[in-house]
Amino acid sequence: NAGVTQTPKFRVLKTGQSMTLLCAQDMNHEYMYWYRQDPGMGLRLIHYSVGEGTTAKGEVPDGYNVSRLKKQNFLLGLESAAPSQTSVYFCASSSAGGPHHEQFFGPGTRLTVL
Amino acid sequence: GQNIDQPTEMTATEGAIVQINCTYQTSGFNGLFWYQQHAGEAPTFLSYNVLDGLEEKGRFSSFLSRSKGYSYLLLKELQMKDSASYLCAVREVGNDYKLSFGAGTTVTVRA
Repeated sequence: NAGVTQTPKFRVLKTGQSMTLLCAQDMNHEYMYWYRQDPGMGLRLIHYSVGEGTTAKGEVPDGYNVSRLKKQNFLLGLESAAPSQTSVYFCASSSAGGPHHEQFFGPGTRLTVL
Repeated sequence: GQNIDQPTEMTATEGAIVQINCTYQTSGFNGLFWYQQHAGEAPTFLSYNVLDGLEEKGRFSSFLSRSKGYSYLLLKELQMKDSASYLCAVREVGNDYKLSFGAGTTVTVRA
């Protein structure tokens, strides 16, 4: 099993450009999450999904959109990138079953907006 | 939401013990997690506490006191590979298994 994968690993954008980050998981997990990680601020939840076809806002959703058309994929979109969106983006997934429901993280996408 | 506080940095010597404290405030506690994150890598799950007491996993132990809103992660027999950031995360009741993370504690192990 590959676990949670993210593409791309690195990206540089100019202000105003758009892009989509792809997260895929092969663990049949119901829940998927997008976080951003900035120095000194820890992981902050952007959007999440509790199942195929559902999405919900997290702590810092402004400037981002998401879609979960297939259970194994969770897409994060930036319609008009801003320098404040320079960050490392992590996707995570978790199962509705199991004792802990711990989240499994992908390797991250490093995004720079110039 | 939760206020989750943990020290920013700690330094220890190889073979020693380090204790990373985490305090939190929440209206409906439903579990506390510790994750390890090496520089440039993804966080990986270390431990989970939902009841008061100590959970031991090899060289790592995690303690929880729900009445005090307090947890610690104890790392024993430190090795150089333990140099990493350690993230404390809290889950609340009925919130779709979302986690709120502290800013992380960077542990540096010196020879």
